[in-house]
Amino acid sequence: DAGVTQSPTHLIKTRGQQVTLRCSPKSGHDTVSWYQQALGQGPQFIFQYYEEEERQRGNFPDRFSGHQFPNYSSELNVNALLLGDSALYLCASSTGPSGNTIYFGEGSWLTVV
Amino acid sequence: AQSVTQLDSQVPVFEEAPVELRCNYSSSVSVYLFWYVQYPNQGLQLLLKYLSGSTLVESINGFEAEFNKSQTSFHLRKPSVHISDTAEYFCAVIKNAGGTSYGKLTFGQGTILTVHP
Repeated sequence: DAGVTQSPTHLIKTRGQQVTLRCSPKSGHDTVSWYQQALGQGPQFIFQYYEEEERQRGNFPDRFSGHQFPNYSSELNVNALLLGDSALYLCASSTGPSGNTIYFGEGSWLTVV
Repeated sequence: AQSVTQLDSQVPVFEEAPVELRCNYSSSVSVYLFWYVQYPNQGLQLLLKYLSGSTLVESINGFEAEFNKSQTSFHLRKPSVHISDTAEYFCAVIKNAGGTSYGKLTFGQGTILTVHP
């Protein structure tokens, strides 16, 4: 039973560039959420996707956007990268937007230089 | 809004000693509570959760946590730790609306547990 998978695992981008991170949810899960974990901090909720729509959003600027595909996989896009966007980006999945058992992937490490 | 406070940023302990990682939360509504563990350079793994019922919940690897509603706490304990327990531990909450969660986790800042031989 595959868990939550994310790609790429590591990447380096330059300020001002754009990045796309990808996530496949755990088998049987239809809801995907994204979190940002800065170094030494707890994860912060970015947004949640269910039925291909953004259902909830945290306190992140519009530079952060996402998408969910019919197969429930998801992408996180960040435009106009800032140095402060350097972080571990975690994808999480659950059954339904109200699912209370949430599983996380290994994360994508983004470094902005 | 919810907030979670983990009272210790780092907890060093010797192998086979007991440990307690403290977590307090603040919320105007009922919440579900979770502990996640993060090993170096890895994602988060669900350790245990409290949804309802018995206030004492246990994990498969010997950790337990007790929900205390009056003190708004959910402390994590283990009677005897191993070297392999060295990791960062995160306490988290989700809003609970009549048995249905809002699906968004709010995390504490994390506690780094270091087990020394």
